[in-house]
This record gives sequence, C-alpha cells and structure tokens, in this order.
Amino acid sequence: EADIYQTPRYLVIGTGKKITLECSQTMGHDKMYWYQQDPGMELHLIHYSYGVNSTEKGDLSSESTVSRIRTEHFPLTLESARPSHTSQYLCASSPSGTGGTEAFFGQGTRLTVV
Amino acid sequence: SQKIEQNSEALNIQEGKTATLTCNYTNYSPAYLQWYRQDPGRGPVFLLLIRENEKEKRKERLKVTFDTTLKQSLFHITASQPADSATYLCALDEGSGGGADGLTFGKGTHLIIQP
Repeated sequence: EADIYQTPRYLVIGTGKKITLECSQTMGHDKMYWYQQDPGMELHLIHYSYGVNSTEKGDLSSESTVSRIRTEHFPLTLESARPSHTSQYLCASSPSGTGGTEAFFGQGTRLTVV
Repeated sequence: SQKIEQNSEALNIQEGKTATLTCNYTNYSPAYLQWYRQDPGRGPVFLLLIRENEKEKRKERLKVTFDTTLKQSLFHITASQPADSATYLCALDEGSGGGADGLTFGKGTHLIIQP
C-alpha cells in the first residue's frame, strides 16, 4: 500500500458550497498531482506541484485551486461547487528524478454535487 | 498531443491462459511507458515501467514489450487468475524531469479472467 491518503473518500454536497479535498503523503516526495477521472474515461491532470510553494495547472482546465505549503500536504479547493464538478478526484505523488519514476496514487475522492 | 488507444471492449480470458493487452500511441515515442492496474473505486497501482531503448521487461507473471517502430506496447499476464481481473492503464511518460507531470494515460482495458 502506498503512503498517500485522501479524505474524504465520498462527498455529496450542494451547489454553491465551498469544498476542500485533502491529500497527504508520508514518503517525502517533492512532486504531487491531482487527476480527475470520470467513469470509463482516462485520468486527466488538473494540477501539479514540484515542491513547497510550487503549483502549476495541468492539461485539463479546472475551476479548482491548490496550495503546497508543506511537502506532505496538497489540498484541492473548489470555491463554489457545481454539478459539472461531479467526478472522481485522484491525488498522486512521485519522487524527483530525471524521468521514469512511478506515481503513487491515493484511493480517490468521489465527489457528487447536487 | 499524444493520443493513446487501448482496447475499449472488455477482454475475457479463461483462467490459466495468457492475457495480452495492447497500447497504441499516435505521435512521438515517449522516453518511458508505464502500466498501472486500477480496481473499481480505487486509485491506480504501478506495475511496470519500460524505457524506449528496452524491448522487453518482466516481473513475475507480467511481461511488457515496447516497439517504437509500431508505436505499440503489449502487456502480458501469464497463467492468469481471477484475481487479475481489473482495468489496466497504459501511461506515456515523456521523462521531462521525471514524475507524473509527463504522464498521459489511456482509458484502460477492462480484463475479466473467467474461472
């Protein structure tokens, strides 16, 4: 089992609410990522970070924001949730290197906005 | 950008047989190619990585091949077991400094091993 944790596992929330999805890893990895995955579809990168105080947007446009104040913590925030945000959100981390390093994924947060 | 094609139809294999999954990509060959297993409702789990200058990689009952001429990777599970039933994801790793910012995932192939 990878030492990367996401909370909550499941979240049902009303439109317009602010939510924060938590992600923590105990492996000391510099790189962390957020992916979005709809059923039967591929993972899409929405945010990543190379280390503390580093955040970048991924390939898929997202209305969410992220922060990286501590190496082990990479929360994702939606200021005003909408039904279109309903999806599975996966957090991952990987060690730094010149390439070819595996990604360790959390269990995911299944978000439903009603 | 890269487009990855994996069998969208579920693959049914009888227990004990070899399962072979295909991953095709469209553009330039990546520096690395990775395979992951994903069970329902869970995050992907890394299985194998192969470099562009490697033809084949093995780990226990798993074997991956990488043909940069055909722009294709094959993933084999020998002596398949019902516990191998899952969705298998192919991911291209551009190797740009390492890490998952270079990973592009396919939709995955759902493998079902029949007892």
